[in-house]
Amino acid sequence: DQQVKQNSPSLSVQEGRISILNCDYTNSMFDYFLWYKKYPAEGPTFLISISSIKDKNEDGRFTVFLNKSAKHLSLHIVPSQPGDSAVYFCAATTTSGTYKYIFGTGTRLKVLA
Amino acid sequence: NAGVMQNPRHLVRRRGQEARLRCSPMKGHSHVYWYRQLPEEGLKFMVYLQKENIIDESGMPKERFSAEFPKEGPSILRIQQVVRGDSAAYFCASSPQRDRGRQPQHFGDGTRLSIL
Repeated sequence: DQQVKQNSPSLSVQEGRISILNCDYTNSMFDYFLWYKKYPAEGPTFLISISSIKDKNEDGRFTVFLNKSAKHLSLHIVPSQPGDSAVYFCAATTTSGTYKYIFGTGTRLKVLA
Repeated sequence: NAGVMQNPRHLVRRRGQEARLRCSPMKGHSHVYWYRQLPEEGLKFMVYLQKENIIDESGMPKERFSAEFPKEGPSILRIQQVVRGDSAAYFCASSPQRDRGRQPQHFGDGTRLSIL
């Protein structure tokens, strides 16, 4: 039972353009969402998060949008840079519980120079 | 990923042996989570511990796997009588006691376990 889904295993984008990574979830109890970036042979690195009381959070080139009615979130990277090439995981949790994260299967982003 | 230290980075075991994975959380963090990543999959929650307590082990296999976080020293994930299906990357994450709802978990670089 995959509660968090990333339906695009890979995405290629030209340098300077926008990258949009998508994530869907099924559990309406999730109220905190995060995006992590992962390079090979390293651990996930936190990028940005959003609480369910918001619909948008911005940090530099990264913006996360949350659509609660659609149970959908997306990560926008503008402008995309070659160093952004990595696997991106979305994660969800319930802050009234133990804060364990439920991860999607990841999207491999390749930014072409 | 400075802060959360995992060792060893790579561990090779033969079927039937024991594997011990260690995790030292970031300074000031008292909550430790273990996740497992199988090839081509996302990370899956295994267990959540505070000092000397297992809080949530709902993701742990019922047999052969155990975890501890003693008062002194690192958290240990122990796998007894390893099988080929245990081959995976095991990640540890830590978070502070306060404001956990607004503080993301910080991950170590993982231990890659290979079973021969």
